[in-house]
Amino acid sequence: AQSVAQPEDQVNVAEGNPLTVKCTYSVSGNPYLFWYVQYPNRGLQFLLKYITGDNLVKGSYGFEAEFNKSQTSFHLKKPSALVSDSALYFCAASLNTNAGKSTFGDGTTLTVKP
Amino acid sequence: DGGITQSPKYLFRKEGQNVTLSCEQNLNHDAMYWYRQDPGQGLRLIYYSQIVNDFQKGDIAEGYSVSREKKESFPLTVTSAQKNPTAFYLCASLPRPQAHHNEQFFGPGTRLTVL
Repeated sequence: AQSVAQPEDQVNVAEGNPLTVKCTYSVSGNPYLFWYVQYPNRGLQFLLKYITGDNLVKGSYGFEAEFNKSQTSFHLKKPSALVSDSALYFCAASLNTNAGKSTFGDGTTLTVKP
Repeated sequence: DGGITQSPKYLFRKEGQNVTLSCEQNLNHDAMYWYRQDPGQGLRLIYYSQIVNDFQKGDIAEGYSVSREKKESFPLTVTSAQKNPTAFYLCASLPRPQAHHNEQFFGPGTRLTVL
C-alpha cells in the first residue's frame, strides 16, 4: 500500500532561520511528489512538485525540496523563514496507476516566531 | 478567473439530516475528488470521478453519496448514515485522471458541524 509520512506534527523556527519540514514515502514504482500549504479554514495551495530530473526542486515563495530516492524522502526547505510562512504543510504522492489520486501525509504545522 | 468554488463555507446539520455540499469548477477538468480533513489525520479520499456520469468510492465512502451529471459539478451528500460527519470537506480537480504529474486544484472548503 502507498503511504506518506510526515514524522513531525509541529515544527517551530525563529524568523530568519532555515526551516525543514520532513516527508518520507513508501510506494512501489516511481511516484510524483508534491508539497501543499494550507492556511486556516482555506483549501490547499500547491507549492512545488518532483516529477523527474534534478533532485532539487524550487517552488513558490522561496521554498525548495530535495528528492532523495535512496532515503525515499522529499523534505521541504527554505533558507530563511518568515512569520507569514506559518501554516499547515502537506506532502503528497501520486502514482501513474492511481486515476489521479494522491496519498497525503497527516500534515505538519509550521510556526515561525518573530 | 478559473477555479473551484464550494458552498456553503459553513454548514450546520442536525443529527438524522442529509446535507449536500456543492463543488463547482470552471477549469474544464475531467477528474474531481472529495476529501475529508480531520485534525491530525490529513486528507482522506471519500469519492472521486474521472469523467461525467462515472464515480468511484475512495477510502472512506460509507455514509456519503455523490453524483456527476455535469462536468463542472460534483456535489457530495452527507447522509444520516455517516456516524461522525463533523469535519472540513475539500473538493479538488485534475485536468485528466491520467495527469498524475499535475498538482490538484483545491476549493476553499466547507466546514460541516453536526449539532
